[in-house]
Amino acid sequence: KAGVTQTPRYLIKTRGQQVTLSCSPISGHRSVSWYQQTPGQGLQFLFEYFSETQRNKGNFPGRFSGRQFSNSRSEMNVSTLELGDSALYLCASSPTTTSGPGELFFGEGSRLTVL
Amino acid sequence: AQSVSQHNHHVILSEAASLELGCNYSYGGTVNLFWYVQYPGQHLQLLLKYFSGDPLVKGIKGFEAEFIKSKFSFNLRKPSVQWSDTAEYFCAVTSLRTGNQFYFGTGTSLTVIP
Repeated sequence: KAGVTQTPRYLIKTRGQQVTLSCSPISGHRSVSWYQQTPGQGLQFLFEYFSETQRNKGNFPGRFSGRQFSNSRSEMNVSTLELGDSALYLCASSPTTTSGPGELFFGEGSRLTVL
Repeated sequence: AQSVSQHNHHVILSEAASLELGCNYSYGGTVNLFWYVQYPGQHLQLLLKYFSGDPLVKGIKGFEAEFIKSKFSFNLRKPSVQWSDTAEYFCAVTSLRTGNQFYFGTGTSLTVIP
């Protein structure tokens, strides 16, 4: 079974630009979450999508947005990039369980550097 | 909102030493608890999880964790660490109350000296 795939793996942007990151979840997983990982801050929750609907949203500005397609693939977009947006962006998919939140399966991440 | 505290930010141990990493969470209801590990250059992967039942949970690679509800804790342990355990360890909590939103601690960096 293929794991969570994120593209691109590395990218460099300049301040003010925008970026789109893509995530393909494990086949059959309908929940996709995004996290921002920075040294010292750990993993900060961005948002979670389930069946094309945003189910949860973290405490990030509106410059951070996302969407999920009917095949469960997800994208996140960051507009008007700032230096502080430099981070590893992680996508995680999760199976639906009857007992509640299942475990997260992570991709390798997209490392964004903003100059 | 839920919060997760990992008290040890950096831990350095010699091989064969015992390991205990602390994790405390704030929400007092029914929770699901996880420990994830991130080896250098690799993606986060699950070490172990607790949903219900026996509070002593065994995971991969000889790791175990104990859920103590009265202390809101889920500490990770390993009796004898190896050089290959060098990694960053993250504790995470979720619950039905928070939907599928996971709350992660800031991580503990473990270095094992051969």
